[in-house]
Amino acid sequence: AQTVTQSQPEMSVQEAETVTLSCTYDTSESNYYLFWYKQPPSRQMILVIRQEAYKQQNATENRFSVNFQKAAKSFSLKISDSQLGDTAMYFCAFMKGGKLIFGQGTELSVKP
Amino acid sequence: GAGVSQTPSNKVTEKGKYVELRCDPISGHTALYWYRQSLGQGPEFLIYFQGTGAADDSGLPNDRFFAVRPEGSVSTLKIQRTERGDSAVYLCASSIGTGELFFGPGTRLTVL
Repeated sequence: AQTVTQSQPEMSVQEAETVTLSCTYDTSESNYYLFWYKQPPSRQMILVIRQEAYKQQNATENRFSVNFQKAAKSFSLKISDSQLGDTAMYFCAFMKGGKLIFGQGTELSVKP
Repeated sequence: GAGVSQTPSNKVTEKGKYVELRCDPISGHTALYWYRQSLGQGPEFLIYFQGTGAADDSGLPNDRFFAVRPEGSVSTLKIQRTERGDSAVYLCASSIGTGELFFGPGTRLTVL
């Protein structure tokens, strides 16, 4: 079975600071995709960043970057220069065989 | 280019009734997904389609749940004999097959 675990139900960060959200996953596969999705209070889920397991280089999208540790099955998200608009639920997700499996989410609050 | 749309946005029904939830994917997207999200939880996979056929329906909780996509575009999730435990937000997503899912705003189902 494939599972995704986010051990931080809630986090907060001061505006302009850096925060890291944790995610671990369990799989016996060697090739797969990992994602971080953001769900603001408006409810619509949007993609933040993706990582392909066969790529050793960590993905980066502007202020968002990941620390992908394949052997440890860890996939954390770092948000730099946090902004008020980053306040949302963040979900780590794993894809194999066309199916996307989500973690339980981390609620991030960015404080002014 | 419109995004994924879902109707209705809210549905209130009584226990035992039948409901249909509709999803209009992004034009040209071959894959379509249904997820269920309970309050404070991550989205739970229900089913996904490649074209007209269900590629994986392993997440449907029981035979009261059924989904169709007869022409490979619009999809309908059908729930028979609704129960209070079916209350949740039902999310639809579509994909062109690159791994990124584009989500709709969801339908909030309340079973009284």
